[in-house]
Amino acid sequence: KAGVTQTPRYLIKTRGQQVTLSCSPISGHRSVSWYQQTPGQGLQFLFEYFSETQRNKGNFPGRFSGRQFSNSRSEMNVSTLELGDSALYLCASSPWGGLVEQYFGPGTRLTVT
Amino acid sequence: QKEVEQNSGPLSVPEGAIASLNCTYSDRGSQSFFWYRQYSGKSPELIMSIYSNGDKEDGRFTAQLNKASQYVSLLIRDSQPSDSATYLCAVNMNKAAGNKLTFGGGTRVLVKP
Repeated sequence: KAGVTQTPRYLIKTRGQQVTLSCSPISGHRSVSWYQQTPGQGLQFLFEYFSETQRNKGNFPGRFSGRQFSNSRSEMNVSTLELGDSALYLCASSPWGGLVEQYFGPGTRLTVT
Repeated sequence: QKEVEQNSGPLSVPEGAIASLNCTYSDRGSQSFFWYRQYSGKSPELIMSIYSNGDKEDGRFTAQLNKASQYVSLLIRDSQPSDSATYLCAVNMNKAAGNKLTFGGGTRVLVKP
């Protein structure tokens, strides 16, 4: 089976702009979760989508949003970018909801200047 | 107090020895626990999951869970240079608002030939 794919792999944006990241889960997986990884804060949970519904949410501001499509593909949007949003954004998929047994994609490296 | 705590290391072990990694968590109601391995510049890879007290073995890896003491550990037997990586402990915490997967800061393991 093909793994989790994320596009784009690298992105450079300017403060104040918005960005959309895409994630395609492993075939058959219905849960997609998003994470932010930075050297200072480590790996932090953003949110989980299962069957097109947001099931769980971490402690991030409303500028971070997401959605899931009927084919389980997911997008994450960050509006009004701040310098502190520079990070590796990871998507993970699982056959089940509830944040268990997840498989990570390669990530999107976002740099905000 | 951090919700999930790990010794940052580095944990240096000679090739062929046992590497022992520990993780403590704060939420007594947590139900599922995971170990991920992350090589430098790569995304996390699931290596073990454990849901009930006791030991779970998979190849050279053994996960141990003690819910009463709120710790989970990972043993790597016959350590190989290819095991050199950062190991992340993740705890699925059941909050009133839903589930939240919380990661520790990771333990860096160095296996020396």
